[in-house]
Amino acid sequence: GAGVSQTPSNKVTEKGKYVELRCDPISGHTALYWYRQSLGQGPEFLIYFQGTGAADDSGLPNDRFFAVRPEGSVSTLKIQRTERGDSAVYLCASSLSSGANVLTFGAGSRLTVL
Amino acid sequence: GIQVEQSPPDLILQEGANSTLRCNFSDSVNNLQWFHQNPWGQLINLFYIPSGTKQNGRLSATTVATERYSLLYISSSQTTDSGVYFCAVESRGGNNRLAFGKGNQVVVIP
Repeated sequence: GAGVSQTPSNKVTEKGKYVELRCDPISGHTALYWYRQSLGQGPEFLIYFQGTGAADDSGLPNDRFFAVRPEGSVSTLKIQRTERGDSAVYLCASSLSSGANVLTFGAGSRLTVL
Repeated sequence: GIQVEQSPPDLILQEGANSTLRCNFSDSVNNLQWFHQNPWGQLINLFYIPSGTKQNGRLSATTVATERYSLLYISSSQTTDSGVYFCAVESRGGNNRLAFGKGNQVVVIP
């Protein structure tokens, strides 16, 4: 597509529930990133995919968080047993992985855990 | 990991004024980008500038890699320049992960 698309744009859930957030990157972009942004802070790195594989998942806060990119395009971030502290905007970005990694961000998915 | 500090944290400008935003970083970098986050939360890439100077309209940026800082200049500011400006860097050997500063919150008043 023309830009990075993220769905849903807003998600309200209850503590303990399971959540999936979807990212559709720019067509042809092999690199895909997930970041999390809390109020008043800069985005924090979660995970980076090169193609289908997670090249760096060191930013995932704990084992409740998991992300996949099975066909090297769309990615899903999965959060199990959500906690109130998971509330944030989850941002996805993609880039052409050839030299300069200029990131293009989606509009984000705002997650609120009640 | 690499530390990124941005100053000033908050800035109020009269429309038409010029301003300079600063980004200091703690290690050598091979990737530095400036982003603008508009009031609706959308992050827009302004510059990819690990070194040197670039200009795009009323905006320009300079990175002095040897001294570990970058500057973003806004000239003749407009209300649409309001938002948060983020500096993001990737350290050498940083495995493609960008570390963001806390941002410069800019408000341009008419």
